[in-house]
Amino acid sequence: GAVVSQHPSRVICKSGTSVKIECRSLDFQATTMFWYRQFPKKSLMLMATSNEGSKATYEQGVEKDKFLINHASLTLSTLTVTSAHPEDSSFYICSARWSGGTYEQYFGPGTRLTVT
Amino acid sequence: AQSVTQPDIHITVSEGASLELRCNYSYGATPYLFWYVQSPGQGLQLLLKYFSGDTLVQGIKGFEAEFKRSQSSFNLRKPSVHWSDAAEYFCAVGAQNAGNMLTFGGGTRLMVKP
Repeated sequence: GAVVSQHPSRVICKSGTSVKIECRSLDFQATTMFWYRQFPKKSLMLMATSNEGSKATYEQGVEKDKFLINHASLTLSTLTVTSAHPEDSSFYICSARWSGGTYEQYFGPGTRLTVT
Repeated sequence: AQSVTQPDIHITVSEGASLELRCNYSYGATPYLFWYVQSPGQGLQLLLKYFSGDTLVQGIKGFEAEFKRSQSSFNLRKPSVHWSDAAEYFCAVGAQNAGNMLTFGGGTRLMVKP
């Protein structure tokens, strides 16, 4: 149980275009999902927290107009990188917290974004 | 604000040897503590967690961790390392009153010698 998927696993896009990454909790309902960014050989940096049906809460320094987050259902959150630039290239990981009340987060396999 | 320190960036152990990965946290109340493992290019897998109760926590893959409040530590241990344990290990602290967000340590890369 507690499986989280991400799609796509890898994406290459051209500078100036937008790309959407999906995060799904496959076998549980997630009232809260989190989006992280991980640079090579670095730890995870929390970008934003999204609660189903409400606006995401962004961490300091993360541009909310550039990284659009939608959490439309209890099993799906999306991250859209708008007008992507090469510096947005990174590994993006989502996690989901079970709405049943425990505190651990279950992580997706990550999405490698490369902007050319 | 909470913080997590993993003092060892890299650790190399021989296969079959014991392992201890250090984790120190800073948090004003009783923390929720986690250890995750990440293989290259993959997401994170939860190894074990501490919320309350017994301070020695058993996890998957033969790992255990001990919560020591007096030392603000939550070190991960394994008595006998396997080559497949080579990966990046992250300690994290969670705060109930902050939307359950996790703060991660910098990670420790474990390499296993044959």
